Formats: sequence, C-alpha cells, structure tokens
Amino acid sequence: AQSVSQHNHHVILSEAASLELGCNYSYGGTVNLFWYVQYPGQHLQLLLKYFSGDPLVKGIKGFEAEFIKSKFSFNLRKPSVQWSDTAEYFCAVVSGSARQLTFGSGTQLTVLP
Amino acid sequence: NAGVTQTPKFRILKIGQSMTLQCAQDMNHNYMYWYRQDPGMGLKLIYYSVGAGITDKGEVPNGYNVSRSTTEDFPLRLELAAPSQTSVYFCASSMTGDREKLFFGSGTQLSVL
Repeated sequence: AQSVSQHNHHVILSEAASLELGCNYSYGGTVNLFWYVQYPGQHLQLLLKYFSGDPLVKGIKGFEAEFIKSKFSFNLRKPSVQWSDTAEYFCAVVSGSARQLTFGSGTQLTVLP
Repeated sequence: NAGVTQTPKFRILKIGQSMTLQCAQDMNHNYMYWYRQDPGMGLKLIYYSVGAGITDKGEVPNGYNVSRSTTEDFPLRLELAAPSQTSVYFCASSMTGDREKLFFGSGTQLSVL
C-alpha cells in the first residue's frame, strides 16, 4: 500500500527565510505527487502537482517542488517566505495500483512577521 | 461560486446518536469523497463515489454509510456515534479529466461525548 511521510509537524520561520518541507512516499512504481495547502479559515486547495516530465514543478505563489525518484521524495520549497504563507501543507500521492489520493499527516508552517 | 458546501460546520453528539453530514457540489463533478482529519494523522479516506448510484469504501469506512442518489449530493451517515468518530470531516469533489485536483468543502467539526 502506498504511504506518505511528512516528518516536520510544525515549522516556524521568519519572513524572507527559505523554506523546504519534506515529503517521502513508499511506493516503488509510477507515482503522481501533489502538495495541498490549507490557509487559516480557508478550504484545502491544490498547490502543485507532478505527473511526469521535468522533475522540478512550479506551483502558485512562488512554490516549487522537486521529484527525486531515487530518494522517493517530493520536497516543497520556496526561496523567501511571507507571513501570508502561514498555513498547513499536505503532501499526497497516487500510485499506479491505487485509485485515490493518500495524504501525509501535514506540516503546519508559521511565518513570523 | 458555491463549490463544495458542507453542513453543519459544528456538531456535538452523544454516544449512540446518529446524524447525517451533508455535502453538495455545484460543479457537476462525477467524483466525490469523504475524508476525516485527526490531529497529526493527515486525511483518511472514508468513502468515495465515482458517479450517481456508485459508492465504494475508502481506508476507514467502519461506522459510516454513504449514498449518492444525485450527482450533486453525497451525504455521510453516522448510525451509532462513538468517541472514536470525533474528528473534522471534509467532503471533496473532482472532475473526470482531473481526478486528483480535489475541491474541498470547509469541513465539519464533530465531537462525540
């Protein structure tokens, strides 16, 4: 069965700091990978996704993620965070044998002004 | 744009009571889902539906039932509420051509005491 691990439960950064949130998955075959975000008081929404091709994927609001197959990782990055990036971030995976998204446990990001 | 609408937003139940969480979407999406979110555990899929009249179990279906009589509505039924069902419940939908891009509702906070 596929699974997703997010090892950072809570990350606190100051504005302008660089961000990297870890995501590792357990399935060895073809995978589709996603990052979802939930801003305070808002619905969960898709931030970016990887299906195939260029392993560096760019999403909304300056976020990007890199798929590294050898490390089973799909880490989320942003060069310079803003206070408005405070949110909970979820990594998710769909593998070839599964039909539905499997979500990680989430990482709460707090950006201090 | 209404999107995915969930009601109620909050509910407190006594052990053994039953209730229905309502979910409606106005985007004509074929796929609909119910997730529960427990602290530090991410989102777990309870049930999903690929179209009217078709439902299937997810990862944690025990204690719940669903129906999908129309494309728009996907209610979740708790028959005998238990403290283990205290959680935040999210309904989501997606379209056939982009299944993994989920549109989420705002969630229902349920406490079973």
